[in-house]
Order: sequence, then C-alpha cells, then structure tokens
Amino acid sequence: AIQMTQSPSSLSASVGDRVTITCRASQGIRNDLGWYQLKPGRAPKLLIYAASTLQNGVPSRFSGSGSDTDFTLTINSLQPEDSATYYCLQDYNYPFTFGPGTKVDIK
Amino acid sequence: EVQVVESGGGLVQPGGSLRLSCAGSGFIFSTYWMTWVRRAPGKGLEWVANIKQDGSERYYGDSVKGRFTISRDNARNSLYLQMNSLRAEDTAVYYCAREREIQGNLLDYWGQGTLVTVSS
Repeated sequence: AIQMTQSPSSLSASVGDRVTITCRASQGIRNDLGWYQLKPGRAPKLLIYAASTLQNGVPSRFSGSGSDTDFTLTINSLQPEDSATYYCLQDYNYPFTFGPGTKVDIK
Repeated sequence: EVQVVESGGGLVQPGGSLRLSCAGSGFIFSTYWMTWVRRAPGKGLEWVANIKQDGSERYYGDSVKGRFTISRDNARNSLYLQMNSLRAEDTAVYYCAREREIQGNLLDYWGQGTLVTVSS
C-alpha cells in the first residue's frame, strides 16, 4: 500500500496567518490526491480534489498544489473556524490511504 | 439535499460481529461508488472499503481484508458493512461517504458516523 506522510503533525498560528501543510506519497500518485478537514463531532469535509481543484462551496483561502509525490495545502488568512485536523488521501490505487493528519490550532 | 446517515453501531465483544448500515438520500444512489472510512479514538482517518455502483468491484484496507464485507442494496438506497472477528483495534467511529468519480475519486458527502466499540 502507498504510504502517506504529513508535516507538521500539528501547528499553532494566528488569525490572518498563512498556513502550509505538506503531504508526501511513498510513490508517484500523479495528482490523485484530496484534502479533507475534520472537526470534533462533525462529518469530514472535502476541501480539495485532484490535488488543486477547490470543492464547491469551500472558501477560496484554501488552495492545493503539487503532483507525483509532493503536495501542499495552503490556508491563506487563517480564520478561527479553520481550527481542525487536515488529512490528505491518495486515490491513485487501492487501498486508498490517508495521511496521519495535521492538527491546526488558533493562537 | 444529499444525505448519508449511518446506523448500527454499538458495543460488541472481541471476536463478535456487527453490521453497519448507511442510508443515502437526495441523490441517485445506484450511480455512485460508496465508501466506508473510520477514525479510532485518538487516531487519524483510515480508509476501510469501497464498492462500485453495481457491486461488481469491492476493495478493502489491509487491516480489515478477510474480516469485513462491504455490500449494497440499490433498491433500498443502502450501503452495508458486515464486520466479523472484531478486535479491540476496530473500535472507531465509522463514516459512510459518497464517492464521486471526477478527476479521480473524491468523497464529497459524508455522514456523521456511528460508533463501534469492541470490548469485553
């Protein structure tokens, strides 16, 4: 199975900051990667698919980039409601695999 | 409005079985792949299994292969997960998600989850 890693595992940033989360695949996965947001007690939410395509209804401060093995999720102008854990998911081949997650806290 | 709602979670002893259900509404259920994902306490998301529209293809995560079976009943707009030989490490919130094939496979609608606890 393809292994996914994320860094950092957690971060704390202020409202208005730019935040960058990276995700790395153990082998090339083209651009078959999505980013998901998980808040306690809530259903996970799709943010980005195909590495860089913003899901309908997701604020434009979220963006994704990358291909092959290295990917980035960027949150421009961090907002209080962005406090959550963020996961990447490769859908290149089976079994699909998630990264371990990055917890984002607001200072 | 698209909705997926899980049910069937509960407390089960190690080695036991449980069947989870997921009801889809607000979309044409038979035209979508469907997926199960779980989150163990204090852990991250883990992809569990998915199933093609007509049930002809099913894929499983390594940790559940051979113990869990995903199935669906399109007439009932329902997805299932039969879990056998349950272990403590299967304790998790189990989420059902609609899978959309567009520029890859994305999970665009999720349920709130149902809690499975494996304990004696």
